[in-house]
Amino acid sequence: DVKVTQSSRYLVKRTGEKVFLECVQDMDHENMFWYRQDPGLGLRLIYFSYDVKMKEKGDIPEGYSVSREKKERFSLILESASTNQTSMYLCASKPGGSYGLFFGPGTRLTVL
Amino acid sequence: QKEVEQNSGPLSVPEGAIASLNCTYSDRGSQSFFWYRQYSGKSPELIMSIYSNGDKEDGRFTAQLNKASQYVSLLIRDSQPSDSATYLCAVTGTASKLTFGTGTRLQVTL
Repeated sequence: DVKVTQSSRYLVKRTGEKVFLECVQDMDHENMFWYRQDPGLGLRLIYFSYDVKMKEKGDIPEGYSVSREKKERFSLILESASTNQTSMYLCASKPGGSYGLFFGPGTRLTVL
Repeated sequence: QKEVEQNSGPLSVPEGAIASLNCTYSDRGSQSFFWYRQYSGKSPELIMSIYSNGDKEDGRFTAQLNKASQYVSLLIRDSQPSDSATYLCAVTGTASKLTFGTGTRLQVTL
């Protein structure tokens, strides 16, 4: 089975802090994604990566950056956390081609 | 018009009945279609994928695709209380972008 893990299930940070969310997949997938999910807004794509050191902006990249130094690891960085970044953050991966995404368990981030 | 539309529900069905979940999409060139199940507080889980017109069955689940009508549906036979969840429809459009609907909440009642 595909396994996608995320570094934390719950995280509480203060406004202005730099926040790192880590994601690791064990199935050698080329593509990795970061989404946030908010009630009524559904899943929104922040960034994705189709290869090591490659990244593409999604629909809502403002306030975020990403890093993919190794194929299995994709990190989301909140440069200066703000309260409107309180959300559920979901990492996902998929192989090349027309396949669905496999999601990690999510990180519920609260910014105070 | 939203790219992927679903009725938010809740859709309430009695145990043992067939639940029918529907999704429409706007990109006529869409090629890949997925259904995810998401329990409250959990992440989405891929349960079905469909790529060509017609039906695809997997256990109690059947996905139906009609590209001419830009419509994809998920049928759940013999619904169980454990099927109570939010079901997300996702569509890969012509730009290879995966777009999610906001989901339909299903409640299976005893």
